[in-house]
Amino acid sequence: DAGITQSPRHKVTETGTPVTLRCHQTENHRYMYWYRQDPGHGLRLIHYSYGVKDTDKGEVSDGYSVSRSKTEDFLLTLESATSSQTSVYFCAISEIGGMRRQDNSPLHFGNGTRLTVT
Amino acid sequence: GDSGTQMEGPVTLSEEAFLTINCTYTATGYPSLFWYVQYPGEGLQLLLKATKADDKGSNKGFEATYRKETTSFHLEKGSVQVSDSAVYFCALTQGGSEKLVFGKGMKLTVNP
Repeated sequence: DAGITQSPRHKVTETGTPVTLRCHQTENHRYMYWYRQDPGHGLRLIHYSYGVKDTDKGEVSDGYSVSRSKTEDFLLTLESATSSQTSVYFCAISEIGGMRRQDNSPLHFGNGTRLTVT
Repeated sequence: GDSGTQMEGPVTLSEEAFLTINCTYTATGYPSLFWYVQYPGEGLQLLLKATKADDKGSNKGFEATYRKETTSFHLEKGSVQVSDSAVYFCALTQGGSEKLVFGKGMKLTVNP
């Protein structure tokens, strides 16, 4: 593992409740990402961060917000969880972003958080 | 937008069989191409990569060649093992951005 910890590992929550997932890294990498993994869709990018307080949307950002107040922590919040947000959520980090990443720095993934919204 | 299309499976093979997992891509410019592997209960790990046309990535007996003329990056292994059972994803970087775009994944099961 590349020093990535996701918490919690499993969570069951009810529709309409707020949920926050945490990703913590010990690698001091600049870039952090949140993906969701669903059958038939592979991995889809929710949000990503390119530095403290610098974030941007991915392809499936509706219903999610993120915050990065420290280099090591990237939080994903579901303000009001819906059943369509039942999924496995993966955090990833990389040292270098953009076109330079592919030469030196692949994405390193955490082990995922399984979220069930009932 | 840029995307990768791969065989979705699932695929079941016997140990020592030959493996091919197809991946074709649609992209503007010249993306970098990757194969990631996900073992049960774990996150994804980079398996191999290629950053320009005709590059061959290889790792753990797996190979893939960046074919610009056919926009493909097919994954191959000559003799699979039970320990290769996993989900395999092809991926590419969108030109000029920080985003990595994944295919839908293909589940491989190798039986003894």
